[in-house]
Amino acid sequence: DIQMTQSPSSLSASVGDRVTITCQASQDVNKNLHWYQQKPGKAPKLLIYNTSNLQTGVPSRFSGRGSGTHFTFTINNLQPEDFATYYCQQSGNFPPGITFGRGTRLESK
Amino acid sequence: QVQLQESGPGLVKPSQTLSLSCTVSGAVVDSSGLNWAWLRQNSGKDLEWMGSIFSSGSGHYNPSLRGRLSLSVDTRENQIALKMISVTAADSGVYYCARHNNFFDLWGHGTMVTVSS
Repeated sequence: DIQMTQSPSSLSASVGDRVTITCQASQDVNKNLHWYQQKPGKAPKLLIYNTSNLQTGVPSRFSGRGSGTHFTFTINNLQPEDFATYYCQQSGNFPPGITFGRGTRLESK
Repeated sequence: QVQLQESGPGLVKPSQTLSLSCTVSGAVVDSSGLNWAWLRQNSGKDLEWMGSIFSSGSGHYNPSLRGRLSLSVDTRENQIALKMISVTAADSGVYYCARHNNFFDLWGHGTMVTVSS
């Protein structure tokens, strides 16, 4: 199994801030790394796929980069609706495996 | 547009079989190139991919669940079905179906499952 270490587990920030979340894979996943946003009581929503591609309809303040084992996800100019939990997910060794990071809870400072 | 809706019993007894359905609207479930997955989230908010079924007919399962889980497509009902045997309390959580394209770009709302006697 490829383990995904996501950090930080929680983060406090203010509207207008820039925040960055990191995901480290235990093995090379190439560019097969994706990011999701989840709000309470809702299903996860895909924001970025294949490391840096913005899903249709997702604002350009969200971005991602990286390759291999180290990946970052950044939100520029944080908006009130961005306070949520964010997860990374790898599909680099599928099949057999797909694994998620444990999430980063982004809270209002 | 394509939408997914999970359904099933909210409560299952330990050692029994969990059966869930995911109804697909806006697409034909066995169309070429359409692949589907089941995922779940426990009370600690950890997300787990359970398995995927591809339009080719092949299924791929999380090794941690192999032997307990089977996925299938019901073309009459336009659904994706999940069956998991020998459930325990550790199988409690919210279960989601999703469209699988290397990532999961479309999700259902989820259905809560509690395993308890």
